[in-house]
Amino acid sequence: AQRVTQPEKLLSVFKGAPVELKCNYSYSGSPELFWYVQYSRQRLQLLLRHISRESIKGFTADLNKGETSFHLKKPFAQEEDSAMYYCALSASRGARQLTFGSGTQLTVLP
Amino acid sequence: ETGVTQSPTHLIKTRGQQVTLRCSSQSGHNTVSWYQQALGQGPQFIFQYYREEENGRGNFPPRFSGLQFPNYSSELNVNALELDDSALYLCASSARDSGDLEQYFGPGTRLTVT
Repeated sequence: AQRVTQPEKLLSVFKGAPVELKCNYSYSGSPELFWYVQYSRQRLQLLLRHISRESIKGFTADLNKGETSFHLKKPFAQEEDSAMYYCALSASRGARQLTFGSGTQLTVLP
Repeated sequence: ETGVTQSPTHLIKTRGQQVTLRCSSQSGHNTVSWYQQALGQGPQFIFQYYREEENGRGNFPPRFSGLQFPNYSSELNVNALELDDSALYLCASSARDSGDLEQYFGPGTRLTVT
């Protein structure tokens, strides 16, 4: 069975401070990992996925298979980063169903 | 390009009733996935439809069923509604045949069961 854990429901940081949103997963195969973001009054949207190794809006995430983690990081948080962030996992094959964590609400304080 | 749309936006039903939720996929997308998001939780996969056939199912009972139409739009049907079915129901579409499996989400339908 696959599972995604986001240990922090709420996270507050000051503008300009580094931010790290934690994500741990359990899956027996080789998963694909994603971060989705939901800004206030907007729909859920993809932020980044590990296979593309991109930096989106200054965010990066590295897949650590040894620690089964996929933490999301940004060196200098901005107020517009305030949103709900979900980590998600997909089996590398099959129906491509996404297994989501319970989410972390990030608030960037001025 | 039109994004994923869902209807209705909100719905209130009584326990034991049946409900149908609708989803129009993004232009060019042939795969639709449905998720249930309970309050304070992440979305939970219900099932996926590809070319009008169910193509994967999560841990949901048979009273959750679906359809996909030739134009790739989809319906989610829930029979014998229970109070715990109260949630936000999300639809997501993707273009499976193109190899791009990114899922694009709709705004959701908020179902309240009383």
